[in-house]
Amino acid sequence: AQSVTQLDSQVPVFEEAPVELRCNYSSSVSVYLFWYVQYPNQGLQLLLKYLSGSTLVESINGFEAEFNKSQTSFHLRKPSVHISDTAEYFCAFTTSGTYKYIFGTGTRLKVLA
Amino acid sequence: DGGITQSPKYLFRKEGQNVTLSCEQNLNHDAMYWYRQDPGQGLRLIYYSQIVNDFQKGDIAEGYSVSREKKESFPLTVTSAQKNPTAFYLCASRFPSGSGNTGELFFGEGSRLTVL
Repeated sequence: AQSVTQLDSQVPVFEEAPVELRCNYSSSVSVYLFWYVQYPNQGLQLLLKYLSGSTLVESINGFEAEFNKSQTSFHLRKPSVHISDTAEYFCAFTTSGTYKYIFGTGTRLKVLA
Repeated sequence: DGGITQSPKYLFRKEGQNVTLSCEQNLNHDAMYWYRQDPGQGLRLIYYSQIVNDFQKGDIAEGYSVSREKKESFPLTVTSAQKNPTAFYLCASRFPSGSGNTGELFFGEGSRLTVL
């Protein structure tokens, strides 16, 4: 069955420290991968995506994620976090020819001063 | 600006009442979705629609109904048959595959329904 696993439900980290949010997926076919960010009582906003090509993708606000096909992972990283990065982060994927998206259960990132 | 508008933002309802959540998009997207979000459970698909006058059940469709009479609109009705309707509801849309689709879903701001 297709699934996304975000092992860490909560990640506390001090401001200006690095962070990694882990995402592993399970699929028998090629996937398109996404990271979304959600602030309290708001919708999801796309952070970055992997469709094809370079396995390292970057966002405009300093996040990056690397697609690793052999490990079926798409971990999200940021070298130095800010208080404003406090939010919930969702990993998701879809496959070609389908309208369904598979979401992880989310990781709540809390940046501490 | 193009986007997805959900209304109302907050809604309270008594048990046994139906309630309809609105979702309107001006992105010219063909496909639209409704998700339910509960703490610690991620997003679960309720219904989706690929084109006007067509929609399919998702993983948790029981107790919900939808219509798709216009491309821009995909309202969700939470009926009295839904056993535990208190949740955050998210509407989303995207281009269909193969027409310049970049793959991602675009989300509205959500509607929080509380049953008293």
